[in-house]
Amino acid sequence: GQQLNQSPQSMFIQEGEDVSMNCTSSSIFNTWLWYKQDPGEGPVLLIALYKAGELTSNGRLTAQFGITRKDSFLNNSASIPSDVGIYFCAGQLGKLIFGQGTELSVKP
Amino acid sequence: DSGVTQTPKHLITATGQRVTLRCSPRSGDLSVYWYQQSLDQGLQFLIQYYNGEERAKGNILERFSAQQFPDLHSELNLSSLELGDSALYFCASSPAGLAGGSSYNEQFFGPGTRLTVL
Repeated sequence: GQQLNQSPQSMFIQEGEDVSMNCTSSSIFNTWLWYKQDPGEGPVLLIALYKAGELTSNGRLTAQFGITRKDSFLNNSASIPSDVGIYFCAGQLGKLIFGQGTELSVKP
Repeated sequence: DSGVTQTPKHLITATGQRVTLRCSPRSGDLSVYWYQQSLDQGLQFLIQYYNGEERAKGNILERFSAQQFPDLHSELNLSSLELGDSALYFCASSPAGLAGGSSYNEQFFGPGTRLTVL
C-alpha cells in the first residue's frame, strides 16, 4: 500500500533555531498537507499545497510541494517553546495517507 | 477550535463490548472521515462518508462500521472489542471530499475520543 517516509522522527533544538522536516513517497499525490498535533488533541492543519513546486508560508512556517509530486518539506524558522508537538505530513489522492510524524522539542 | 465535535472524549470499556463514537462535522461540510491513531500504527484512515453515502474505505475492520445521518453527523460503531482496539479515534470533516487537489478537500480534525479496552 501507499506509505510516506517522514524524517526525522524527532528533533531536539534550542529556542530560536530553524528546523526542517520532510516526507517522501513512492506514490504521486495531488495534495500535500502538514498538520501539528499537541498531546491529547486532534491534528491541526498548518499548510496545504496543491501544485507541484508550490511554496507556501504561514507565519514562521514554509512548506513546498516537490516537483516530482512525491515529496514535501516543512521549515519552521526561529522556533519558540510553543512549537513543541508532533508534526505530520499527509499526502492526498482521495484519502489521506499520513507520515509517522516528527516530534519536535524546543529548549528555552 | 476546528468546529468538529466528537463525543465522548474518553471511553473505558471491556473486551467483547460494543461502543458508538459520535462526530458532528463543521457547519457546511459534507464529508466525514474516521481515523484511528495508535502508538504503533500512527494515524490510519478508516472510512469516509460524503453526504450520507460511503465514499472510501481504508483499513477498517469488519467489526467496525460507520454511518452518516441526514443531518450529516456520523457515528462509528466498534463491536466485539479487543485490547488492541484501544486507541485515539478521530473524526475529520471537509466541505467536499473528492479526489482533486482543492481547498474543498482540506480535512479538519476533531479533538478525538480516547478508547480504552480493558
